[in-house]
Amino acid sequence: EPEVTQTPSHQVTQMGQEVILRCVPISNHLYFYWYRQILGQKVEFLVSFYNNEISEKSEIFDDQFSVERPDGSNFTLKIRSTKLEDSAMYFCASSEQGIRNTEAFFGQGTRLTVV
Amino acid sequence: GNSVTQMEGPVTLSEEAFLTINCTYTATGYPSLFWYVQYPGEGLQLLLKATKADDKGSNKGFEATYRKETTSFHLEKGSVQVSDSAVYFCALRADNAGNMLTFGGGTRLMVKP
Repeated sequence: EPEVTQTPSHQVTQMGQEVILRCVPISNHLYFYWYRQILGQKVEFLVSFYNNEISEKSEIFDDQFSVERPDGSNFTLKIRSTKLEDSAMYFCASSEQGIRNTEAFFGQGTRLTVV
Repeated sequence: GNSVTQMEGPVTLSEEAFLTINCTYTATGYPSLFWYVQYPGEGLQLLLKATKADDKGSNKGFEATYRKETTSFHLEKGSVQVSDSAVYFCALRADNAGNMLTFGGGTRLMVKP
């Protein structure tokens, strides 16, 4: 069964460093998303991406964050200068169409720890 | 704004017990409502959904009914199994929210043999 895969499963980085989280969405999907969950808190929407551009983003998704689909298969989330409060589980998701009509499939998550 | 509140866990049950995980929401209009499940080491999987008032979503013995009058979407299962041990997330997609899902905090269910 097709699935969304995320790498690495756990990333530890020093405060101020850049980090790139990687995701391989399901191959025929056109919509891509990043969510995060800070420990003990709710899963929060970060950004959605369609047709090679951001279609929606939340207040969390500030200038420190960027997304890219560099090669037609990967979908990455970059955090330019990590802060302690960026420590969270980051989930990638994809859907064939918008989620009004189709299901979003999620990856298993990357746990980011900023020290 | 839109929000989802679900009961905090962990919820610990014995096998074959009845399960209820409460979920209430705040949203304008008529949101679509979802339950996602995350098994250990896996991603979030859609468990069931309901798109309009009084709809009942069901899957794998789980069910939830969209109650507009109480703004609730409680998850129930009549007889849980050890394999149901997971984290359950309630979520909504509001009318005006494009492709954005708003999630609750998740409820960990542990089922003991």
